Amino acid sequence: GNSVTQMEGPVTLSEEAFLTINCTYTATGYPSLFWYVQYPGEGLQLLLKATKADDKGSNKGFEATYRKETTSFHLEKGSVQVSDSAVYFCALGRSAGGSYIPTFGRGTSLIVHP
Amino acid sequence: DVKVTQSSRYLVKRTGEKVFLECVQDMDHENMFWYRQDPGLGLRLIYFSYDVKMKEKGDIPEGYSVSREKKERFSLILESASTNQTSMYLCASRYRDRGGTDTQYFGPGTRLTVL
Repeated sequence: GNSVTQMEGPVTLSEEAFLTINCTYTATGYPSLFWYVQYPGEGLQLLLKATKADDKGSNKGFEATYRKETTSFHLEKGSVQVSDSAVYFCALGRSAGGSYIPTFGRGTSLIVHP
Repeated sequence: DVKVTQSSRYLVKRTGEKVFLECVQDMDHENMFWYRQDPGLGLRLIYFSYDVKMKEKGDIPEGYSVSREKKERFSLILESASTNQTSMYLCASRYRDRGGTDTQYFGPGTRLTVL
């Protein structure tokens, strides 16, 4: 079956540090890959996505590249801010006919100190 | 903008009570989902629905049921709440963006405490 594994947190960084959150997946077929962000007390918001191999998703300074050969979709940001403190979820989604089958990682908490 | 709303942000119930969590989306999406979120376990799928009156069990359906009488509304029901159902409950709907990619849009969540 499908699965997503992401690094355990919390990840603690100082402001302006470089961020990497690792994510690897196993899936049949060709899933789309996503990063969602959850700010304290809120639901999940889509951060970025990639739909095929070598695609790069980007948003708000975050980037992730769909690497089929290593089955990875690592999230990166060159300079984090305190406002980036949140929980980040890696996910994959497969559409088959009329159905949509999502799979989420366990989430990685990011804490950014001033 | 896609809107997914949930009836309550915070709810406190007693063991044994019947609990209804409501979710409404305003974009005519066919697919809707209920998850629970617990520390260290991430999101776990409880039930989902492909269309009105259709439902499918997710990974952890025990102790829950759902109702989808209208396309815009997907209700999660705890027939007899127990303390181990204390959790954050998230509703989502599936939409297809302009690029043809299926994505989920989430509501703000309901934090349920069962005493």
